[in-house]
Amino acid sequence: IQMTQSPSSLSASVGDRVTITCRASQTISVYLNWYQQKPGRAPNLLIYAVSSLQSGVPSRFSGSRSETDFTLTISSLQPEDFATYYCQQNYNFPWTFGQGTKVEI
Amino acid sequence: QITLKESGPTLVRPTQTLTLTCTFSGFSLSTSGVGVGWIRQPPGKALEWLAVIYWDNDKRYRPSQQGRLTVTKDTSKNQVVLTMTNMDPVDTATYYCAHSGGSYNLGALDMWGHGTKVIVSS
Repeated sequence: IQMTQSPSSLSASVGDRVTITCRASQTISVYLNWYQQKPGRAPNLLIYAVSSLQSGVPSRFSGSRSETDFTLTISSLQPEDFATYYCQQNYNFPWTFGQGTKVEI
Repeated sequence: QITLKESGPTLVRPTQTLTLTCTFSGFSLSTSGVGVGWIRQPPGKALEWLAVIYWDNDKRYRPSQQGRLTVTKDTSKNQVVLTMTNMDPVDTATYYCAHSGGSYNLGALDMWGHGTKVIVSS
């Protein structure tokens, strides 16, 4: 299953609303997760099962689904949110990640 | 509190076999639904899933790497071992192990180790 993320990068300011999209090449039901990765660090799970917030993740992060299109939204970008974001499907093996979206200042 | 830590060689020669160990705490790999996955990330590139092993010893591998990868677990030591044969410079990457949460989060990778950098070079 191919996961196509867009955009590959974006520039935004603190306080902006940011939306990142991930499209699956076939149905993956609700088996879609989002991760945040900062430079030199391991990925960190933000959202699982399309829209469930991982414990400790701020509520400005949210996820949604329309068929095979999935969206990660950051309602008001904070300085600590500048990072690379990956979607991942675990509906079928092999699990696959998107190419990543780098959110820059 | 769940923690995972990868260990293994930093430098591997081409054609050699890589052996990485993931030592974890805070969960048991004999608990129903739980798994440990391996993911790698070449420098400047995206994440790539490699393998996962579950509490019942079910193992799944990335098809393109099938035959090169083996994953095993030692429940008594709280360790998972990944071996990758016939290493090539394109296998240069940071390798991560991660906890797969089971049914409560549909198996998402909810805790990751810090990663271990592996360089393949002669």
